[in-house]
Amino acid sequence: RKEVEQDPGPFNVPEGATVAFNCTYSNSASQSFFWYRQDCRKEPKLLMSVYSSGNEDGRFTAQLNRASQYISLLIRDSKLSDSATYLCVVNGAGTYKYIFGTGTRLKVLA
Amino acid sequence: DTGVSQDPRHKITKRGQNVTFRCDPISEHNRLYWYRQTLGQGPEFLTYFQNEAQLEKSRLLSDRFSAERPKGSFSTLEIQRTEQGDSAMYLCASSLVGQAGSGNTIYFGEGSWLTVV
Repeated sequence: RKEVEQDPGPFNVPEGATVAFNCTYSNSASQSFFWYRQDCRKEPKLLMSVYSSGNEDGRFTAQLNRASQYISLLIRDSKLSDSATYLCVVNGAGTYKYIFGTGTRLKVLA
Repeated sequence: DTGVSQDPRHKITKRGQNVTFRCDPISEHNRLYWYRQTLGQGPEFLTYFQNEAQLEKSRLLSDRFSAERPKGSFSTLEIQRTEQGDSAMYLCASSLVGQAGSGNTIYFGEGSWLTVV
């Protein structure tokens, strides 16, 4: 089993739609969680950290479920500019390496 | 620009040649990471440094790969006797840990693309 697993997609959604991505992780001792965004042939950039209580940043909402070991990202009112790959990232306890999922591709259609 | 800087951005080399990539982290960042990414995959962890100490290496980092951070500032990643399977984007990232409020976010450079022919 991979340490961090994501549905690779692609998710094709119309503008204005709400879309949700899930990510599961295998290390129950993991302590830090993030969503990164990566545009084609560019470097990953931090979208948001994921906190235990859940957090929101504009149209983006991240949730953490420690009991089920999954993280979610919800994007509301999708924009064409949201088209990208979304990477789930987990940083484990006892190590400072960051483990990335394979990413979920999103394409927002006009 | 005070972001993570990588050089060269693109490198085409013949199989069997050695290549070296350089990374300059964000100023004062004490932790530096190297990742490798191939098409359709997420970044794969290779190694990381805390200041000049290399604290962890992935099994992906074969004997042909070596990374250094001699003065705790910039880092180099060398690949010896390159193989076609080494073709990938090599990403460097840095973070600042140990300072209140700094969090543990890592910031990436634009990557160094390697093509082995």
